[in-house]
Amino acid sequence: DAGVIQSPRHEVTEMGQEVTLRCKPISGHNSLFWYRQTMMRGLELLIYFNNNVPIDDSGMPEDRFSAKMPNASFSTLKIQPSEPRDSAVYFCASSFSGTQPQHFGDGTRLSIL
Amino acid sequence: DAKTTQPPSMDCAEGRAANLPCNHSTISGNEYVYWYRQIHSQGPQYIIHGLKNNETNEMASLIITEDRKSSTLILPHATLRDTAVYYCIVRVDDRGSTLGRLYFGRGTQLTVWP
Repeated sequence: DAGVIQSPRHEVTEMGQEVTLRCKPISGHNSLFWYRQTMMRGLELLIYFNNNVPIDDSGMPEDRFSAKMPNASFSTLKIQPSEPRDSAVYFCASSFSGTQPQHFGDGTRLSIL
Repeated sequence: DAKTTQPPSMDCAEGRAANLPCNHSTISGNEYVYWYRQIHSQGPQYIIHGLKNNETNEMASLIITEDRKSSTLILPHATLRDTAVYYCIVRVDDRGSTLGRLYFGRGTQLTVWP
C-alpha cells in the first residue's frame, strides 16, 4: 500500500525564493495535516484540512506561508518569500477522518541559505 | 500545549520488554491516549491508542491506569530497530473543530542496545 508521498525529499534554496512542498495523501483519507519539525520547537501542526477544506490554520507562522488542497489527492504548502528561519523538516500526514490515527510521510528537509 | 510528561530518555536490552511511562494527570474524560514513535529521519509512526481499557496490537501494549492519569507503553521484546523517540499524546476524539490536533511534546528517546 502506498503511504503518504511527499516531494521533494530535500530542498536547498536561497532566501527570498518561493518554495513549494507537495503531498499526496493515502487514497481514501479525507483529512490532511502539515507539520513542521525543528530542534528548537519540536513537531508542531501548521494547518489541517478536512474534505479539502482548511479547518485549523492557527499554526501557520505568518502570511508568507500558505497551503492549498485543490482535490482529495493533492496538497501544497508554499513559502514566499522564504527565510533562513524556515529551515526545518516539513511533514504531511493523512487520516481516514480527523479522529483516526494519522499516517505520516517521510518529510521534506528544507534548507534556506 | 503538550498535556503529557515523559522521561527524556530510557534504554533497554535487546529482547527484553521496554516499558515507557507517560503522565497525563489533567486528561479529560473524552480524551484518548495516543502513542507514536519517530525513528531518526523518518516521519512519526502510529503505534497504538486507547481511552480507558488496556489495548494490544501487533506492535505494542498500552496499559492505562484506572484513574487514567498515567499510562505505560510496552514493547514486549525490544529489538534494535525499536530505537526511536516515543511520543505520548492525549487528544479529544470527538467531532470538534480541533479534533485533528496532536501536540507531540519532546517524547522519550528509547535506545535498545545489543
